[in-house]
Parts: sequence; structure tokens; C-alpha cells
Amino acid sequence: DTEVTQTPKHLVMGMTNKKSLKCEQHMGHRAMYWYKQKAKKPPELMFVYSYEKLSINESVPSRFSPECPNSSLLNLHLHALQPEDSALYLCASSSPGRGRNNEQFFGPGTRLTVL
Amino acid sequence: KQEVTQIPAALSVPEGENLVLNCSFTDSAIYNLQWFRQDPGKGLTSLLLIQSSQREQTSGRLNASLDKSSGRSTLYIAASQPGDSATYLCAVFNTNAGKSTFGDGTTLTVKP
Repeated sequence: DTEVTQTPKHLVMGMTNKKSLKCEQHMGHRAMYWYKQKAKKPPELMFVYSYEKLSINESVPSRFSPECPNSSLLNLHLHALQPEDSALYLCASSSPGRGRNNEQFFGPGTRLTVL
Repeated sequence: KQEVTQIPAALSVPEGENLVLNCSFTDSAIYNLQWFRQDPGKGLTSLLLIQSSQREQTSGRLNASLDKSSGRSTLYIAASQPGDSATYLCAVFNTNAGKSTFGDGTTLTVKP
């Protein structure tokens, strides 16, 4: 199973709402990532978790709050977002280590619209 | 700061042609390089991963090469098909499970 799943597929929220994006993988990967992708642009790295610990935070505003409850799950909590935060949010995972194991696998993404 | 450039930005070819997509990067101290394809509104699909110690990888009609010293990678697609139409992205990883830098992508259209 080389699948990364993300829910929901689409999300529309107001600027005062609180919502969460979820990501799950069962490949035994110990690194998980959140990316943000605007239309016709490449993905931008937001956060990296390695062995359930936050290892990289790319100066993301605090209205985005990541959480890694266990090695298979990754959440992104959203609060007080702005319309410019509307984008495709992608989750990825990889297995830190040599050889093919550190190949990144991406989920299908959550299309977020902030009104 | 790592910068990744992909040329051309867009490419349109007739079905059956062999083609080459280019990716260049400024910092040769990379851990690995990965090629992806992305269909509109979808996630990224991994095509090939090349470790920094490798020169090339092959999968079916795809062949990717890596020349770290010159900061270049190429993705060769043989006998292109309409189903190959997508945006192709290369990503450079500077550490294991760490920061990645993506190029802007090459949008490929293969006409029947």
C-alpha cells in the first residue's frame, strides 16, 4: 500500500471558523509533511514531522497549527484564516533512510477555500 | 539558498515523440532529487527518485539522469502518449526528511 489519504477533499470555511485537515498513511513512514500549493505554482513546504516530532516549521503563521498524534496520522488545525490562505493543501510522507525508502509519496490534497 | 529551475515552462509535442525535460539547481550539496507528475487539481505522483550517489534511474518509458557537479537533471520520456499530458515537477531535497525545493514545473501536452 503506497497510499496517502487526505480528508476532506474540499473545504469551505469562513474567516472565523476552526477546522482541521487530516492525513493518514500506513506505509510505516516516519516523516510526514504539509505543503501549500497555489494555482500554477509549485508546492511550498510548511511543516515536517520526523518521528512524530516537529522538525521543520517554514515560518508559517500561527493560524496554522500542525499535530502528529501518532506515526500514521498528521493533522493541520486551521483558525482565523484569511482569503489568501485558499489553496490546495498537500500531505506527503517518506521513510527517512538510505536507498529508495526516502521517496516522498503525496496525498490527493484538500482544496481549501476561505471566504 | 537552493534555487530550482525547469526548462521549458511548457511543451507541446505530437504523440510518439521522444522528449527531454530539464531541471537545474544551484546548490550541488543535495541528498536526492525526485521527479513528479501532477494532473490538474490533483496531488503529486512520484515518478523517479535519484539518490545523490546515483547517475540515473529508469522506470518503463521514463529515464532520469543526475549530474550533481553541474547541477542538472533531465527526465527523458520515450514514445510520448496523450496520457503523459501533465505538469512535471522536479524537487531537490537537501537533507534526509528535510527541506525540499521544487521547480516551477514543465507543463506537457501530447497531441494525438
